[in-house]
Amino acid sequence: EDKVVQSPLSLVVHEGDTVTLNCSYEVTNFRSLLWYKQEKKAPTFLFMLTSSGIEKKSGRLSSILDKKELFSILNITATQTGDSAVYLCAVAYSGAGSYQLTFGKGTKLSVIP
Amino acid sequence: DAGVTQSPTHLIKTRGQHVTLRCSPISGHKSVSWYQQVLGQGPQFIFQYYEKEERGRGNFPDRFSARQFPNYSSELNVNALLLGDSALYLCASAPGFTDTQYFGPGTRLTVL
Repeated sequence: EDKVVQSPLSLVVHEGDTVTLNCSYEVTNFRSLLWYKQEKKAPTFLFMLTSSGIEKKSGRLSSILDKKELFSILNITATQTGDSAVYLCAVAYSGAGSYQLTFGKGTKLSVIP
Repeated sequence: DAGVTQSPTHLIKTRGQHVTLRCSPISGHKSVSWYQQVLGQGPQFIFQYYEKEERGRGNFPDRFSARQFPNYSSELNVNALLLGDSALYLCASAPGFTDTQYFGPGTRLTVL
């Protein structure tokens, strides 16, 4: 069965700390790995990773994929209270004419002043 | 540009009723996918439609159905509602079949 496992499930840090969120996966016909941030309702897109070892960066956020070891990490440096959210990892895979995302349970990040 | 829009925002139904949820994709997007998110879990794939054809279906019973219209908007229908159908229903659109999906704000369905 295809699965995506995120760790930790929750995390509390102080403003200014650096955090690393983990995502491991087991899927067939892997296409890409995506990170989303979910604050209230709509998950908002952060990164899409398709190639191993190539870091993607956006401001204080960065992510990298290891297709050999089947995992990805999301780093957030100099955390701010606005970073408090659930971070979702999703793996896109295809088969039999379909294309779908399988999500992990998410990591709930709380940043306290 | 307008993002993905969904209606209604909230909905309360009783067991056995049916419900229709609506989604308008980002302009120019031809793919619409539906997900169910129960509290404390990640979204779970229900359907993908691309160019008005069903291209994928998740592990959901036949009580769940969907369709995509010529303007690429979509409806999700759920019949014979169960308490366990209470969840946030998310719609996501993408320009093409395998492109990055962008999510709408969701419809919160409560079944009593």
